[in-house]
Amino acid sequence: AQTVTQSQPEMSVQEAETVTLSCTYDTSESDYYLFWYKQPPSRQMILVIRQEAYKQQNATENRFSVNFQKAAKSFSLKISDSQLGDAAMYFCAYRTQYGNKLVFGAGTILRVKS
Amino acid sequence: DAGVTQSPTHLIKTRGQQVTLRCSPKSGHDTVSWYQQALGQGPQFIFQYYEEEERQRGNFPDRFSGHQFPNYSSELNVNALLLGDSALYLCASSLLGTINAHEQYFGPGTRLTVT
Repeated sequence: AQTVTQSQPEMSVQEAETVTLSCTYDTSESDYYLFWYKQPPSRQMILVIRQEAYKQQNATENRFSVNFQKAAKSFSLKISDSQLGDAAMYFCAYRTQYGNKLVFGAGTILRVKS
Repeated sequence: DAGVTQSPTHLIKTRGQQVTLRCSPKSGHDTVSWYQQALGQGPQFIFQYYEEEERQRGNFPDRFSGHQFPNYSSELNVNALLLGDSALYLCASSLLGTINAHEQYFGPGTRLTVT
């Protein structure tokens, strides 16, 4: 069974600075998808960024980028120019290529200080 | 374009009771997945419905059951409620068989409290 581990329960960053959230996963599959979701206090889970395992290029979405290391089974999220609105719980998630369910990590609370 | 909607927003039930939660998928989506998120934890997959049938199920007891209607909306039923069933229940929708089938859009959730 696949597992996802987020080793940082909580992180803090100063507004306008850069922060990196860590995620590792365990799988025996070669093709899969990885995601970062953001869950603000409103509870709505929002997709931040996704990465297809067969793509070597790291995904980027505006201020959000990932460092995908397939051999190391590592998938970190970098947030540049942090904004107050980035404060939320961030979840790393895994999905098999042909499966249906998302496997989530325990989450990292990100606090942004002004 | 309507996103995923869930009802009710909050619910308080007593141990042993039964509860039904409802979800309407994003417009154009045909697949609905349900997740349970305990306080301070990541969501756990309960099951997924497509074409009115359960396609995959997570590690949840038979007390958890579901249904999908012809309009793709879905219900999650939980019988014989336990205190441990208290959680945020999230519904996610997707469109199977497309290049973006892996993208799941989440609703705001239903907060269930069992006393």
